[in-house]
Amino acid sequence: DIQMTQSPSSLSASVGDRVTITCRASQSISSNLNWYQQNPGKAPKLLIYAASTLQSGVPSRFSGSGSGTDFTLAISSLQPEDFATYYCQQSHSTPRTFGQGTKVEIE
Amino acid sequence: EVHLLESGGGLVQPGGSLRLSCAASGFTFDSYAMSWVRQAPGKGLEWVSGIRASGGTTYYADSVKGRFSISRDNSKNTLYLQMNSLRAEDTAVYYCAKEATIFGVVTQYWYFDLWGRGTLVTVSS
Repeated sequence: DIQMTQSPSSLSASVGDRVTITCRASQSISSNLNWYQQNPGKAPKLLIYAASTLQSGVPSRFSGSGSGTDFTLAISSLQPEDFATYYCQQSHSTPRTFGQGTKVEIE
Repeated sequence: EVHLLESGGGLVQPGGSLRLSCAASGFTFDSYAMSWVRQAPGKGLEWVSGIRASGGTTYYADSVKGRFSISRDNSKNTLYLQMNSLRAEDTAVYYCAKEATIFGVVTQYWYFDLWGRGTLVTVSS
C-alpha cells in the first residue's frame, strides 16, 4: 500500500497569510494526487485533483503542485472560511490512501 | 442537483451486522465508480471499499476484507455496504463518494468529486 505523509499535522496562521502544506508519498504516484478540505461535522470537499487542477468553484487562492513523491498545497491569502482540516489522497493505486490531515487554525 | 444520501447507520453490538445504503441522484450513476470512506471520531479519513461502475470489480481495505461487502444496484441508483462481524474500531462516520475520472496526456486521473453527508455507525455493547 502507498503511504501518504502530510506535514505539518497542524499550523496556526492569520487571515491574509500564505500557507503551504506538504504531502509525501511512499513511492512515486506521478500526478495522481488530490487535495480535500474538511470543516468540522461536514463531508470532505474536493479542492484540487491531478496534483494541480483546481476543482470548479474553488477559489483561485488555492493551488497545488508537485509530481512523483512530493506535493504541495498552497493558500495564497488565508481567508476566515479556510480554517479547516486538509487531506491529500493518492489515486495511483488501490487501496486509495489519505494523508493524516493538516489542521489549519487561527493564530 | 447532484446528491448522495447515506442511510442505515446506528448502534450495533460487537459481532453484529449492519447494511448501509447510499442513494444517488442528479448524475448517471452507472457511469461512475463509487467508494465508501470512513472517519473514526476525531481521526482522519480512511478509504474502506470501492466498486467499479458496472459492479463487476470490487476493492477492500485490509482492515475490512472478509467482513464487509460492497455492491450496487444501478437500476435503483444505490450503493450498499454490508458490514458483518463488526468491531469497536469500525465505529465511524461512513461516507459514500463518487469517483470521477479524466484522461490526461499519458494517464488517467481519479478523484472523489462528490460526497454524501455521512452516516454514523457505532459499535458498542
